[in-house]
Amino acid sequence: QKEVEQNSGPLSVPEGAIASLNCTYSDRVSQSFFWYRQYSGKSPELIMSIYSNGDKEDGRFTAQLNKASQYVSLLIRDSQPSDSATYLCADESNDYKLSFGAGTTVTVRA
Amino acid sequence: EAQVTQNPRYLITVTGKKLTVTCSQNMNHEYMSWYRQDPGLGLRQIYYSMNVEVTDKGDVPEGYKVSRKEKRNFPLILESPSPNQTSLYFCASNPGPNTEAFFGQGTRLTVV
Repeated sequence: QKEVEQNSGPLSVPEGAIASLNCTYSDRVSQSFFWYRQYSGKSPELIMSIYSNGDKEDGRFTAQLNKASQYVSLLIRDSQPSDSATYLCADESNDYKLSFGAGTTVTVRA
Repeated sequence: EAQVTQNPRYLITVTGKKLTVTCSQNMNHEYMSWYRQDPGLGLRQIYYSMNVEVTDKGDVPEGYKVSRKEKRNFPLILESPSPNQTSLYFCASNPGPNTEAFFGQGTRLTVV
């Protein structure tokens, strides 16, 4: 059974700092990678998707993918209190099944 | 408004009493899935469907059934619920493979 592992939290960062989240996956044929954000008591929502090796930037968020190392990360620059949430890493392989990590809870201190 | 709607939002039931959680999407998405979320375990896929009348098991299908008779609906059925099925359940839909999943509001199920 394929696995997605995320760095254990919780992660606490001061406002304005960079939050760094890491994720490794076991399935070498995984093709698509996603970062979802989940506020307490709410449903997950997509913040980034990445399909190719390298970096992808969207506003204050940067996703990095290294397929050789089976590693994907998410950087949140200029962290804001509104970024306080649980971040879920997910991958999708050839069988179209989406597998999620356990999540990393981020708290941004004002 | 584009959305995935689950009902009920909260449900307390007794062991062995059959129940159905409904899920409906209005985005004409091909793919629909059910997940359960437990503390420390993240989201685990129960069943998924790539089209009408096409369903397949996810990682934790035991004790659950699904059906996809229409594109918009994907109900989750617990024929004989047990306390270990107490969890937070999410339905999701995608336009197709390798695309964003849109989640419903969640159903918090307690089996006593």
